[in-house]
Amino acid sequence: GQQVMQIPQYQHVQEGEDFTTYCNSSTTLSNIQWYKQRPGGHPVFLIQLVKSGEVKKQKRLTFQFGEAKKNSSLHITATQTTDVGTYFCAGTTTDSWGKFQFGAGTQVVVTP
Amino acid sequence: EAGVAQSPRYKIIEKRQSVAFWCNPISGHATLYWYQQILGQGPKLLIQFQNNGVVDDSQLPKDRFSAERLKGVDSTLKIQPAKLEDSAVYLCASSLSRGLGTEAFFGQGTRLTVV
Repeated sequence: GQQVMQIPQYQHVQEGEDFTTYCNSSTTLSNIQWYKQRPGGHPVFLIQLVKSGEVKKQKRLTFQFGEAKKNSSLHITATQTTDVGTYFCAGTTTDSWGKFQFGAGTQVVVTP
Repeated sequence: EAGVAQSPRYKIIEKRQSVAFWCNPISGHATLYWYQQILGQGPKLLIQFQNNGVVDDSQLPKDRFSAERLKGVDSTLKIQPAKLEDSAVYLCASSLSRGLGTEAFFGQGTRLTVV
């Protein structure tokens, strides 16, 4: 079955630094979503990518969907303490339409 | 716009007892999801409804878990009997539809502890 893997599992970042977290699928995805979960909170939708090679930006966050639609990345520049949380990717395939498989997430800790 | 409402927020029960969770999705959202999130893991889909019909329940342990969505609005998730490994946060989410471009809105979740 479809598996979504995220690396790294943990990311310790100095405030002001950049980092990237990666999401890899065992199968070709039709679209992928990214969510952020603050400590003690619930997942909050960030963005959805649909097209091969698609790149979307939200202020300091850059999301990319791979050409083969089997991987995605989230790059954060100039990390701030507000970026603390766990970032999840969730992918769906054409034969499981609307059923999103979540990765285990990347937990981000920011040190001032 | 009101968000997804869940109750209770916390529940502690003994193993072999039963428990029920309630979810009220965002008004007009046809799709409703129940997820189980064990500490340190990503949400795992238990069941997905489209209006009042089940779209996917392949990962629902049907010997002990049941869910319903009467009238295509509110939903309840029940566990009977509970096991220690059921300790987790149960998240309800809703979206406009199953189609492309529909984000899921999550509720605050119910934290279940089975002792």
